[in-house]
Amino acid sequence: EVHLVESGGGLVQPGGSLRLSCEVSGFRITTDWMSWVRQAPGKGLEWVANIKEDESEIYYLNSVKGRFTISKDDTKNSVFLQMTSLRAEDTAVYYCVTSRGFMLEHWGQGTLVTVSS
Amino acid sequence: DIVMTQSPDSLAVALGERATINCKSSQSLLSTSNNQNYLAWHQQKPGQPPRLLFSWASTRESGVPDRFSVSGSGTDFTLTISSLQADDVAIYYCHQHYSSPITFGGGTKVEI
Repeated sequence: EVHLVESGGGLVQPGGSLRLSCEVSGFRITTDWMSWVRQAPGKGLEWVANIKEDESEIYYLNSVKGRFTISKDDTKNSVFLQMTSLRAEDTAVYYCVTSRGFMLEHWGQGTLVTVSS
Repeated sequence: DIVMTQSPDSLAVALGERATINCKSSQSLLSTSNNQNYLAWHQQKPGQPPRLLFSWASTRESGVPDRFSVSGSGTDFTLTISSLQADDVAIYYCHQHYSSPITFGGGTKVEI
């Protein structure tokens, strides 16, 4: 069974930084893409970033380009999202998701990021 | 970017009745190389993360009840719940995995 556990969320001031982590079990991140998707309070789903298994391709939502960085550590079977220059509109639950190509498959429980002064 | 449009935004259906959700993409999701539609459906129950229901527009994931069915190809797709159960109360999202950026429909809230 695939299990994803996100951590690292919390309250941060505008302009601040956070690093989200996602520990994956039951699925080797060396075999396919991994993604981050967010959901603002009471809103729909918004894809944020994804990374290919060999890191040869990485994509970002336009509004986070230059501010967010997705990375992975295959030895820890973990994926990360480094977020800088955070804005109020980045407030959301951030989900880590396994992917078959660009198809989102298994979701974690999410971690809440709140950007507020 | 491929724009995904779902309708309706919400619907209330009596227990045992049919619920139909539509999803339209701004460009075809049908690949001519493999004849597959790059469209998936997810269900999000209150307070839970989403769960994949159908991949490749028509492949049912393990554990999904057969009262759920899908149809469509190209740019128009439909998710149908043939006999709504209380456990089906959720928001349903379509998403395209044809190209980056991955995009979602706005979601359809299904209530009793």
